[in-house]
Amino acid sequence: QEQLVESGGGLVKPGGSLRLSCAASGFTFSDYYMSWIRQAPGKGLEWVSYISSSGNTIYYVDSVKGRFTISRDNAKSSMYLQMNSLRGEDTAVYYCARERRGYSYGYEYWGQGILVTVSP
Amino acid sequence: QSALTQPASVSGSPGQSITMSCTGTSSDVGGYNYVSWYQQHPGNAPKLMIYDVSNRPSGVSNRFSGSKSGNTASLTISGLQAEDEADYYCSSYTSINTRVFGGGTKLTVL
Repeated sequence: QEQLVESGGGLVKPGGSLRLSCAASGFTFSDYYMSWIRQAPGKGLEWVSYISSSGNTIYYVDSVKGRFTISRDNAKSSMYLQMNSLRGEDTAVYYCARERRGYSYGYEYWGQGILVTVSP
Repeated sequence: QSALTQPASVSGSPGQSITMSCTGTSSDVGGYNYVSWYQQHPGNAPKLMIYDVSNRPSGVSNRFSGSKSGNTASLTISGLQAEDEADYYCSSYTSINTRVFGGGTKLTVL
């Protein structure tokens, strides 16, 4: 069964850094585009970044460009989000999610989410 | 990269049908048949309910249906049940290869 498990969250001071990991299992990780999606406390979902199956194509939401870096290691079935220069508005639950294959759009599988808190 | 527009709340009684909207632009909702809908219960991860405007993943009840007209997509839930009470989010592919979500709609089953 397909599973995504995030790790690496926690409390960090403004200006600090954190690296999130997403470990995938139960499917061929290298076949799928993957995304990070976040949800601030009491707020809606916000798409943050995606990475293509090979890792060659990457996009970010404007608010994290230059601060966040998405990457993946297909050999380890894992995706990462390096978050630098963190701000209070980055406080959120971060989900990793798997996109549908091919010419189709939807996040079929989600992790349980990991909380990142940016606070002095 | 503006969020899609969803009504903050909708409500309906058990057995009734409700429809909620998701309005974007020709650069996202209106430009592609790549709209998806998610159900989120408190404390849980979102669940995919509709993909590619109107397709249901395996295991999703046929009480859920999706459609699109112009720049507005819609999610209809028929035969409302208590367990349908949740937050619902739409999402779309965009012309600049990013993805965007709506602000979410809270569905209350009266």
